[in-house]
Amino acid sequence: KNQVEQSPQSLIILEGKNCTLQCNYTVSPFSNLRWYKQDTGRGPVSLTIMTFSENTKSNGRYTATLDADTKQSSLHITASQLSDSASYICVVSGDDYKLSFGAGTTVTVRA
Amino acid sequence: DVKVTQSSRYLVKRTGEKVFLECVQDMDHENMFWYRQDPGLGLRLIYFSYDVKMKEKGDIPEGYSVSREKKERFSLILESASTNQTSMYLCASSLSDRGTEAFFGQGTRLTVV
Repeated sequence: KNQVEQSPQSLIILEGKNCTLQCNYTVSPFSNLRWYKQDTGRGPVSLTIMTFSENTKSNGRYTATLDADTKQSSLHITASQLSDSASYICVVSGDDYKLSFGAGTTVTVRA
Repeated sequence: DVKVTQSSRYLVKRTGEKVFLECVQDMDHENMFWYRQDPGLGLRLIYFSYDVKMKEKGDIPEGYSVSREKKERFSLILESASTNQTSMYLCASSLSDRGTEAFFGQGTRLTVV
């Protein structure tokens, strides 16, 4: 069964600090991996997408990495802001319509 | 911008009621999805539709049905609501190409009492 595991489950950081979220997956065959941000009470919104041949992708202060050999991805948040407080979800696409979702990492940024 | 709109943000229904959750997308997407999201479990696929009047069961279809009479509209139906269906329900849409981005609605928080 395709699985996506995220860690940590939650974390708290001070405003201005950096943090890194992890995603391990077993989805095969692999099409792409996306990181979504979900604000409380809202639907998820895509931050980055990475295909097999890409190993890093940035979107402002968000940088995602992908190691397709070890099936691991990370999302790095630089100089965190209060607005970064959200749940971050790793989503992996295979060769069909189905998406495999991680349970998410809840990030809380404190002033 | 793609817009996926769910008819209600919050709903409270009684056990045994028939519940309709509506979702509309404005980007002519072929694929539409219904998920439920529960703490610690992530998003789980209830039903999927890849065309008008077409539907496929997802991972947890029991207790639910769907309807897609028009391309832009995908409805989730709880035939007889139960307390274990209390959850956040998310609708999404995407183009038919595999691996394309799914765009989500804002979610419906359903409470069954």
